[in-house]
Amino acid sequence: DQQVKQNSPSLSVQEGRISILNCDYTNSMFDYFLWYKKYPAEGPTFLISISSIKDKNEDGRFTVFLNKSAKHLSLHIVPSQPGDSAVYFCAAGGGGGSYIPTFGRGTSLIVHP
Amino acid sequence: SAVISQKPSRDICQRGTSLTIQCQVDSQVTMMFWYRQQPGQSLTLIATANQGSEATYESGFVIDKFPISRPNLTFSTLTVSNMSPEDSSIYLCSVEDWGGNEKLFFGSGTQLSVL
Repeated sequence: DQQVKQNSPSLSVQEGRISILNCDYTNSMFDYFLWYKKYPAEGPTFLISISSIKDKNEDGRFTVFLNKSAKHLSLHIVPSQPGDSAVYFCAAGGGGGSYIPTFGRGTSLIVHP
Repeated sequence: SAVISQKPSRDICQRGTSLTIQCQVDSQVTMMFWYRQQPGQSLTLIATANQGSEATYESGFVIDKFPISRPNLTFSTLTVSNMSPEDSSIYLCSVEDWGGNEKLFFGSGTQLSVL
């Protein structure tokens, strides 16, 4: 039973445009959410997070939106750059269960020059 | 942030053999985590390793298959025993950020292929 779902395995975007990566979750007890970025042959690195008390968190070109009623979050990258090409993992955790996050399957983002 | 050195970075192994993966952290940490990423799948937690006690395994993972050592606060090993092609995965070690924001730091991973 997948509690964190990333239904798009891949996404292709033109440089300078917006990239939107989506993530859905089923456990309403989750109270924090994170995005990780992974380049080939490297481990995932933390990108941005949001707690359940917020609906938006922004860090430079990266913004995460949380819609608790829909159990949905999204990562926006504006403007997209070729160096953003990587696999992006959504993760969620907390809320009385284990604080160790549960990960989605990842979305491979390709930003074309 | 923590710097995690993991080795080997990749290996190709024969069915029935075992491989031990090492993870070294540049600071003392209470808990270390071992993850697996099978092709096209999510990062799945195998076990949590505390120094001085047995590792805690997640559902679907057993100590006989994935024995873990944690001899001190900066080092851990994961062994993949009696390997089969289904064990072909990326294995990652991880530690938590002491900043209290629930984020994890990961090693660079071990790409394991079992023939």
